[in-house]
Amino acid sequence: GQQLNQSPQSMFIQEGEDVSMNCTSSSIFNTWLWYKQDPGEGPVLLIALYKAGELTSNGRLTAQFGITRKDSFLNISASIPSDVGIYFCAGPPNTGNQFYFGTGTSLTVIP
Amino acid sequence: NAGVTQTPKFQVLKTGQSMTLQCAQDMNHNSMYWYRQDPGMGLRLIYYSASEGTTDKGEVPNGYNVSRLNKREFSLRLESAAPSQTSVYFCASSESIRGLGGGYTFGSGTRLTVV
Repeated sequence: GQQLNQSPQSMFIQEGEDVSMNCTSSSIFNTWLWYKQDPGEGPVLLIALYKAGELTSNGRLTAQFGITRKDSFLNISASIPSDVGIYFCAGPPNTGNQFYFGTGTSLTVIP
Repeated sequence: NAGVTQTPKFQVLKTGQSMTLQCAQDMNHNSMYWYRQDPGMGLRLIYYSASEGTTDKGEVPNGYNVSRLNKREFSLRLESAAPSQTSVYFCASSESIRGLGGGYTFGSGTRLTVV
């Protein structure tokens, strides 16, 4: 079935550094969503993207809907300790009645 | 502002015991889901209910049953718990399976240990 591959799988960064992660699929997606899961909690929606090329920000987070519609990117600027968690991409492919989550990127911020 | 509420938050079972995980949402969502998350792994779909009155298997349904009691509530039952079912279980809901109108909303999880 469909798989959303996220890269990198894990990241260890110093506080204040910028972070970049991406998500790729084998199918075209109509919507890309980015979630964050804090330790011990459920995933929470951060950003939603609805058309190719769209660039959307939420505070220090910026996400982009890839031009090919098969990928999406999330950047975090000036990371802080509370950015720690697992980041998931997700969305529905162009065809079918499904919704998929990515494999996740685990972020650790070292103070 | 409750969103998705799961109970219990923690549970320890002995092998062979049964239990039901409860989930309720107050957003009038049509679709509801049960996922499990194991250490270092992503979310795996156990069962889902596209709308009230329907349920379908997901990626890892073996050993589980579900009931969509009404539009608000979707329960997950373990008939005979096994150590392999030790995991964190998340309930989620959405307006539609394709996540239109805001994606999926998750509960805070149930941490289950089977000994």
